[in-house]
Amino acid sequence: KQEVTQIPAALSVPEGENLVLNCSFTDSAIYNLQWFRQDPGKGLTSLLLIQSSQREQTSGRLNASLDKSSGRSTLYIAASQPGDSATYLCAVEGGSTLGRLYFGRGTQLTVWP
Amino acid sequence: DAGVTQSPTHLIKTRGQQVTLRCSPKSGHDTVSWYQQALGQGPQFIFQYYEEEERQRGNFPDRFSGHQFPNYSSELNVNALLLGDSALYLCASSLPGLRSYEQYFGPGTRLTVT
Repeated sequence: KQEVTQIPAALSVPEGENLVLNCSFTDSAIYNLQWFRQDPGKGLTSLLLIQSSQREQTSGRLNASLDKSSGRSTLYIAASQPGDSATYLCAVEGGSTLGRLYFGRGTQLTVWP
Repeated sequence: DAGVTQSPTHLIKTRGQQVTLRCSPKSGHDTVSWYQQALGQGPQFIFQYYEEEERQRGNFPDRFSGHQFPNYSSELNVNALLLGDSALYLCASSLPGLRSYEQYFGPGTRLTVT
């Protein structure tokens, strides 16, 4: 059974810092990996999708990398801002269950001015 | 272009009651998945509908059932509600077919069972 772990569980940093959020998964037979942002009590906003054949994806100040063989992904946030404060969730789709996402518990990020 | 929509936004029910949640997928999407997110946890997969049939199911009891309509919208039904069913219920949709695609989530329905 696929298990997804995110480290750290919470992170509090001053504005302007560069951040790295970590995600690991136990079954490397994945189709893709997706990073989401979730504001308190709200739905999920997709940030980046990395297909299994790709190594990284970039969108603005966000960069996500994927090392499928080692079961790891990192989300890099450059020059963090207070508006980046949210919970960041990592999800993998894979194994024998196309279309089903397995989520980690998330990293709760607080960026203070 | 409307994204994924869900109704209602919030719902309060009593133990033992039944509830129906609704989801309309993003335009052009035909696959709908439902997830349950308890407080402080990541979302857990309930089931997925494609071509009006349940394609796969997570580890949830039969009290959880669903339906997909010809216009691709979907309902999630939960019978005999338990306190532990209190959670944010999320609907996600993706592009047509059986390939792996990016999933788009709705704002969720917050269910409170008292």
